[in-house]
Amino acid sequence: DADVTQTPRNRITKTGKRIMLECSQTKGHDRMYWYRQDPGLGLRLIYYSFDVKDINKGEISDGYSVSRQAQAKFSLSLESAIPNQTALYFCATSDIGSEKLFFGSGTQLSVL
Amino acid sequence: KQEVTQIPAALSVPEGENLVLNCSFTDSAIYNLQWFRQDPGKGLTSLLLIQSSQREQTSGRLNASLDKSSGRSTLYIAASQPGDSATYLCAVTKPPSNTGKLIFGQGTTLQVKP
Repeated sequence: DADVTQTPRNRITKTGKRIMLECSQTKGHDRMYWYRQDPGLGLRLIYYSFDVKDINKGEISDGYSVSRQAQAKFSLSLESAIPNQTALYFCATSDIGSEKLFFGSGTQLSVL
Repeated sequence: KQEVTQIPAALSVPEGENLVLNCSFTDSAIYNLQWFRQDPGKGLTSLLLIQSSQREQTSGRLNASLDKSSGRSTLYIAASQPGDSATYLCAVTKPPSNTGKLIFGQGTTLQVKP
């Protein structure tokens, strides 16, 4: 089983719909992150959390919200999806004191 | 604002060739630099991490170098194999400490032909 699991793997939705992407991890890491990747571009940080009570905005947080339900779970919500939020979304984790990130397999989201 | 650029965007080489992927960054004040590999349908895998005080790191056929003063890093792949085909991304972390807040380049997609 994967250490960092993202669900769903693919999702097609319509403009204006609310959608949630979920991430769970079995690595026991305190730190979790949400990144998005657009074609031809690098990954950009949306939100990050250093523990259950710590949530921080990243570079491109507008239009997104997150919830850290437990150490192992970090979900990303699009309150009202728009077409330019079509992208590949990655969840990642890291341990305190470690500089290595572990990524999930990604969620491909299409907003029509 | 830190910007990371990778050139070329795509590269195709015959099997067995040695190759170099390039990464440049605009602000030399970095905490570390990482190289990742991305396979379709899979997440990113960390290949090498170079601290700001280091000049290079090696893992098997991979060697990554860092020249902070010039804002450059290279990933050298020796004796390339078809299994090396993937997208390679570099990313930097801003100081003062590691936070997992990486700034990524757009990647170089490598194809190694048998």
